[in-house]
Amino acid sequence: DAKTTQPPSMDCAEGRAANLPCNHSTISGNEYVYWYRQIHSQGPQYIIHGLKNNETNEMASLIITEDRKSSTLILPHATLRDTAVYYCIVRRNQGGKLIFGQGTELSVKP
Amino acid sequence: NAGVTQTPKFQVLKTGQSMTLQCAQDMNHNSMYWYRQDPGMGLRLIYYSASEGTTDKGEVPNGYNVSRLNKREFSLRLESAAPSQTSVYFCASSAQGGSNQPQHFGDGTRLSIL
Repeated sequence: DAKTTQPPSMDCAEGRAANLPCNHSTISGNEYVYWYRQIHSQGPQYIIHGLKNNETNEMASLIITEDRKSSTLILPHATLRDTAVYYCIVRRNQGGKLIFGQGTELSVKP
Repeated sequence: NAGVTQTPKFQVLKTGQSMTLQCAQDMNHNSMYWYRQDPGMGLRLIYYSASEGTTDKGEVPNGYNVSRLNKREFSLRLESAAPSQTSVYFCASSAQGGSNQPQHFGDGTRLSIL
C-alpha cells in the first residue's frame, strides 16, 4: 500500500472550510484514497473514499488530483465537533487492511 | 444502530493473567479486524478475519490469539498479559475485505496491565 504524508496539525476557524491535504505520490492505479477521523477517546470514524473522481457525501468532499498523487479532504463548514485527528489512507481494493499513519490533528477554534 | 460493540470498555490486569476481549457487529459484515493503538501512534493491525472461518495475522500478532466464533463475533485473547500490551484495542468490521467498502469501528477497550 502507498505511503501517505500529512501535515501534523492544522487550525481552522469555526464556520470556515477546513482543507486537509494528503500526499500519496506512490499511489498505484488500483489503490483507493480513504479518509477517517478519530475524535478523542473514540474509535475511528469513516468519512469518505474515492479512486480518481471527486466525491461528496453528507460529511465532506474529497478532491483527488488528476495524477492522483495528492488529495484534499474538505469539511465545508467546520464546527467545534470536527476537532479530531484526520487520517488519509491509501490501500488496494483487496486485503482489507488499513494502515494508519500519524494523521493531521485539526483544531477548530471559535 | 449498535454497529460494532466491544466489551469490556475498561480492564485492568496483572502481568500473567489471561483475558478475552469481545467484539460483535450487527451489520452482517463478512470481515472483522482487531487493532491496537498506543499513545501518539496510529492504529496497528493485530489480526483480521476476511470471512467466517478464516483468520490471518496482521502487523503485530505476537502475544495474541483470535477466534471468529461466527459471522457476528470476533474475539481477541491475551493468554499471558504483559505490560507491553497496555493499549487501547479497537475492533472493526467491513462488508467484504476484498472490496472498497469502508471499515466501521467500535469505541475501544482500554486495557492496562500492571
